[in-house]
Amino acid sequence: GAVVSQHPSWVICKSGTSVKIECRSLDFQATTMFWYRQFPKQSLMLMATSNEGSKATYEQGVEKDKFLINHASLTLSTLTVTSAHPEDSSFYICSAATREGGYGYTFGSGTRLTVV
Amino acid sequence: GQNIDQPTEMTATEGAIVQINCTYQTSGFNGLFWYQQHAGEAPTFLSYNVLDGLEEKGRFSSFLSRSKGYSYLLLKELQMKDSASYLCAVRSSTDSWGKLQFGAGTQVVVTP
Repeated sequence: GAVVSQHPSWVICKSGTSVKIECRSLDFQATTMFWYRQFPKQSLMLMATSNEGSKATYEQGVEKDKFLINHASLTLSTLTVTSAHPEDSSFYICSAATREGGYGYTFGSGTRLTVV
Repeated sequence: GQNIDQPTEMTATEGAIVQINCTYQTSGFNGLFWYQQHAGEAPTFLSYNVLDGLEEKGRFSSFLSRSKGYSYLLLKELQMKDSASYLCAVRSSTDSWGKLQFGAGTQVVVTP
C-alpha cells in the first residue's frame, strides 16, 4: 500500500536553531501534503496544506515565516521549523492524500521535536 | 468552519463493547473518518463514511447520520491492544484540497 516515509523520527535541537523534517511518498505521487502538529494529549491541528510546485496554504494563526514548507516534487515535502523555541516542541506529522481505498490519507510516522 | 465533539475518555472491560460518539458541524460535508492513535505514533485508518448508515469492518463498525451531524465508532470484543486514542475527522466539501479537521480524540482505556 501507499507509504509515506517521515524523517527524522525524533530530534533534539537548541533554541534558535532550525530543524528540517522530510516526508517522502513511496511508490505514489503525493500531489497534496498536509502538515499537522500535535501537543501532548491533544488532537492533530492542521498547520498547512502544500501542493507540488505552489506555495503552501497556512491555517489561521500559523506563522508562515517560521514554519517553512517546500513541496518541490511529487514525492517530497519538507517542513522547516526556523529559529525554534521550546514552545515549538511537539509531534509533527505529515499526511498525503491518496486514492488508495477511496479518498484516503496516508500518514507519516511522525517527528518528535524537542527544543532545549 | 467546523466544530467536532467527542468524549474525552472512556473505560471498558476486555471483551466488552464500547461506542464512541462524534458530533460535528460543518459548512459542507464530504466524509467522516475514524482513526486510531497510540501514544507517540501516527494515526492509523479505521473507517470512512460518506453516506448514511453503518459500515462494518471486523470488530470495528462506524455509523453516520448526515442529517444529525452524528457518527459513532463501535468497538466490539475489546482487547487490551485497543487501548488508544480514537480520532473523529471530518472533510469539508468547501475545501478543494480535502483537508481533514480532527476532533480532540477519545482516549479508550481497556481494563482486564
